[in-house]
Amino acid sequence: DIQMTQSPSSLSASVGDRVTITCRASQSISTYLNWYQQKPGKAPNLLIYAASSLRTGVPSRFSGSGSGTDFTLTISSLQPEDFATYYCQQSYSTPLTFGGGTKVEIK
Amino acid sequence: QVQLMQSGAEVKKPGASVKVSCKASGFTFTDYSLHWVRQAPGQGLEWMGWINPSNGGTNYPQKFQGRVTMTRDTSISTAYMELGRLTSDDTAVYYCASGAAVAGITEYNWFDPWGQGTLVTVSS
Repeated sequence: DIQMTQSPSSLSASVGDRVTITCRASQSISTYLNWYQQKPGKAPNLLIYAASSLRTGVPSRFSGSGSGTDFTLTISSLQPEDFATYYCQQSYSTPLTFGGGTKVEIK
Repeated sequence: QVQLMQSGAEVKKPGASVKVSCKASGFTFTDYSLHWVRQAPGQGLEWMGWINPSNGGTNYPQKFQGRVTMTRDTSISTAYMELGRLTSDDTAVYYCASGAAVAGITEYNWFDPWGQGTLVTVSS
């Protein structure tokens, strides 16, 4: 199974800050890496697919990059509605696996 | 609009089974893989497997093989996930989510949209 490791597990940031979350795969997954945002009590929502493609309707302050084993999700200017937990997910092979999540909190 | 609507919360006793439904609307049900993901309280996301609604083919991770069954009824665009031999560790919110096109590249299995979730509580 491919293990997905996210860091940090949590972070505190202020509105307007640039935030970067990293996700590392235990083996190469090409660009088959997806990012989700989840708010408390709600289902996750897709933000980025195939490492760097922005889902339609997602604000352009979100971006993704990386290939192989190392990936990043960047929020260029954190907004109040961005405080949430973020998960990466590999779709290279089954079993499909998720990172442990990164909780973005208000500083 | 494209959406998945799940059945309501369930309370089950240890050893019992639970069956959760997921009704698709706004898209052709048989064109996209349908996945199940669960989330224990305060924990992360765990993939439970997927079904090809077109032919009923399934793929379960080893952890759930023998305990989970995914089926579908194409006449009502609804998928089902049944989990048996429940223990307290199965207490979680269970989500269905749409994945890759069944005629497409399976590596394109990102999940969008998701159902609203179904809370399953296992308690004696």
